Amino acid sequence: GAVVSQHPSWVICKSGTSVKIECRSLDFQATTMFWYRQFPKQSLMLMATSNEGSKATYEQGVEKDKFLINHASLTLSTLTVTSAHPEDSSFYICSARDLLGGGRETQYFGPGTRLLVL
Amino acid sequence: AQKVTQAQTEISVVEKEDVTLDCVYETRDTTYYLFWYKQPPSGELVFLIRRNSFDEQNEISGRYSWNFQKSTSSFNFTITASQVVDSAVYFCALIGGPRRDDKIIFGKGTRLHILP
Repeated sequence: GAVVSQHPSWVICKSGTSVKIECRSLDFQATTMFWYRQFPKQSLMLMATSNEGSKATYEQGVEKDKFLINHASLTLSTLTVTSAHPEDSSFYICSARDLLGGGRETQYFGPGTRLLVL
Repeated sequence: AQKVTQAQTEISVVEKEDVTLDCVYETRDTTYYLFWYKQPPSGELVFLIRRNSFDEQNEISGRYSWNFQKSTSSFNFTITASQVVDSAVYFCALIGGPRRDDKIIFGKGTRLHILP
């Protein structure tokens, strides 16, 4: 099946620093990628929809200036957590929609990135 | 509005018992998709099944089976002869809405403990 990778898988940083997380579709093209956040023992919450070549669409309550999303190519989207604080510590998961391989229901999830802000 | 309800927050069963995880969904759309995902302690989501709204056939895959009932808006998941490796959080999810809307709406998940 299609593969989506995320890098890094783990990151620990100091409060106030910025962290970039990459999401790559390895064997397919993805015009649309999604970023989710999952706090411990909670469900996945959609943060934003990332569209290749255009601005991301953020869900209500998600600060776009804090969570910068760039989708510069059909295989790469990045999420930058700017000026991270301990409350940003979470599990971040991306998913990618296969442009050619199916409809809107064909999405593949990355393995996730655990962020710990000290 | 789309919504997925997994009323069971946590379930514990002894190994080899059967267990059913409930999922009730809400959508006004006639075309929608339902999913089940498994999330083991590692965190990576494992895709289990996808079902579209026009296919009400029940599905069996090994020890796993799914019961889709549009009349009750339910998409329940049964594990037969459970094993310790089945311990995980299971999410039911939905894609509905306008055709161009491809957001996945997740339920809150059911944490399943299989006791040896």
